[in-house]
Amino acid sequence: NAGVTQTPKFRILKIGQSMTLQCAQDMNHNYMYWYRQDPGMGLKLIYYSVGAGITDKGEVPNGYNVSRSTTEDFPLRLELAAPSQTSVYFCASSYSSSSSTDTQYFGPGTRLTVL
Amino acid sequence: KNQVEQSPQSLIILEGKNCTLQCNYTVSPFSNLRWYKQDTGRGPVSLTIMTFSENTKSNGRYTATLDADTKQSSLHITASQLSDSASYICVVRPTGTASKLTFGTGTRLQVTL
Repeated sequence: NAGVTQTPKFRILKIGQSMTLQCAQDMNHNYMYWYRQDPGMGLKLIYYSVGAGITDKGEVPNGYNVSRSTTEDFPLRLELAAPSQTSVYFCASSYSSSSSTDTQYFGPGTRLTVL
Repeated sequence: KNQVEQSPQSLIILEGKNCTLQCNYTVSPFSNLRWYKQDTGRGPVSLTIMTFSENTKSNGRYTATLDADTKQSSLHITASQLSDSASYICVVRPTGTASKLTFGTGTRLQVTL
């Protein structure tokens, strides 16, 4: 299993540009998540999905959109990029969230810089 | 507001030595507490998960303890190795929030020769 994969690894955007961060998992996990990690801060949940066709906002959803058309893929869309969106983005997945001890498996991250 | 605070922020130890990292949380009620290891440039990897009823859990040279009464947890690393150099993140899952975890800011550990 490749686990959770993310592309690209690095990206530089200009203010106002848009892009999609890709995330895929091959573990047949129902739950998928997007986090951002800013320097010196804990990970913050952006959006999450409990299954294909179902998504919900996390703690910091403004400026982002997601979709979940398949179990495997969970892309994150940035519209009108702003410098405040400069961060490292992590995608994660878990089999379920109903179990109190479900483990989230993280991808390698995408480092995004908005100039 | 639910918070998770970790100390120290950073730590340097010699290879072979032991160390203990601290985590204090205000999340209540909580379902479980996790410790993750994050290597530089990589995603976090789960080390341990403890429910509120568990006091200790080990994973090789890593031993986590939990005191739900004082809302404190610690991660003890025994006989440190260079490969232990990483950030260690304490994460708490509140009860009833399903997918929403509260992450600490991490302790940056450097193991040197």
